[in-house]
Amino acid sequence: QKEVEQNSGPLSVPEGAIASLNCTYSDRGSQSFFWYRQYSGKSPELIMFIYSNGDKEDGRFTAQLNKASQYVSLLIRDSQPSDSATYLCAFQGAQKLVFGQGTRLTINP
Amino acid sequence: DVKVTQSSRYLVKRTGEKVFLECVQDMDHENMFWYRQDPGLGLRLIYFSYDVKMKEKGDIPEGYSVSREKKERFSLILESASTNQTSMYLCASKIRGGWGTEAFFGQGTRLTVV
Repeated sequence: QKEVEQNSGPLSVPEGAIASLNCTYSDRGSQSFFWYRQYSGKSPELIMFIYSNGDKEDGRFTAQLNKASQYVSLLIRDSQPSDSATYLCAFQGAQKLVFGQGTRLTINP
Repeated sequence: DVKVTQSSRYLVKRTGEKVFLECVQDMDHENMFWYRQDPGLGLRLIYFSYDVKMKEKGDIPEGYSVSREKKERFSLILESASTNQTSMYLCASKIRGGWGTEAFFGQGTRLTVV
């Protein structure tokens, strides 16, 4: 079983709608969870992190964590064409930082 | 401004060559990572280091080794390059521990083995 699994893409969402990205993880010792965004040809950059159960909001982005279900998600409200990118979830366990395979998101104008 | 610098943006090597990929960070971070990124497979962890001279295997260490002689520099070594090691290699660094601390990435090295 892979340590991190993301919902398969690609995902296409109309502009202004909510984009929902999901991720499950297998390591119950994981402490922190991250969402990174990667534009084509660029390196990943951090969008949000979360380590407590529940929701965390930052502008149009909301991260949700459910440790009992080993599930973390990212919601993007009012999606914009500039949100088109690959989104990578990651978890940190001890010193290790492990990423999922990524979900390519396209926002259609 | 934080910086992680990889020695080459593009590299072409021949099968069987010994290849060195260098990564330098100027943030005094304890943790450094090497990943490879292939279409549909995301970032796969090759090796990481949490201190000078300390290293841990990631998920796909076969065919690779690493060296960390100084805190700011983490090198990835392909002992005998093979065509299946053609990939984008990304180096990252972050502060040790700390919940929610961000990993900073280099610009990546696209390695082609012919």
